[in-house]
Amino acid sequence: EVQLVQSGTEVKKPGDSLKISCKASGYTFTDYWIGWVRQMPGKDLEWMGVIWPIDSDTKYSPSFQGQVTISVDKSISTAYLQWRSLKASDTAVYYCARHVGGVGAASNWFDPWGQGTLVTVSS
Amino acid sequence: SVLTQPPSVSAAPGQAVTISCSGNTSNIGNHHVSWHRQLPGTAPKLLIYDNNKRPSGVPDRFSGSRSGTSAILGITGLQTGDEADYFCAAWDSSLSAGVFGTGTKVTVL
Repeated sequence: EVQLVQSGTEVKKPGDSLKISCKASGYTFTDYWIGWVRQMPGKDLEWMGVIWPIDSDTKYSPSFQGQVTISVDKSISTAYLQWRSLKASDTAVYYCARHVGGVGAASNWFDPWGQGTLVTVSS
Repeated sequence: SVLTQPPSVSAAPGQAVTISCSGNTSNIGNHHVSWHRQLPGTAPKLLIYDNNKRPSGVPDRFSGSRSGTSAILGITGLQTGDEADYFCAAWDSSLSAGVFGTGTKVTVL
């Protein structure tokens, strides 16, 4: 069974750094892009970016470029989402998801999704 | 969000609903659409990919279509368990990124 298991809830202060994780199992990790999606409280899903585990080639949405860093450790089939300095507006649930199909291709979709990681940033 | 959906739709159990997803030539017009369902308090789950294909395990009560720069998700035989938020998604070549719809809340009356 293909599965993505994310790290647990985080409560941080503005200015803190943070790295959350997403461990993949049930498929060959290096065969698929893997991505991150943000969902702020009561809001829509927002596509943040994807990464190719073989060479760490990363594509960011313009809205998130420079705001976060996506990385992988292919030796342990794990993707990461990292912030250097959190803001209150980073409070959200963050989902990882396997990206099926080529990035930019006519056909691509997210499946499956991780269970989500709640990040709360508050002073 | 780049893709526009109605905020909500509702119908009685057993009835049918459709959810529209409107985009442009940079996204839906030239890229396939996927649909995802998010039950309350849970992660999204793939419902439809490549405009009209259902993953294994998704009942044929769910259907999808695409025409021009719009897509539609149809649900027949509505059940109380279908109450959820539904999101469309597609690649956007002008952004070089994926985009999601604004989300539609389905209520079973």
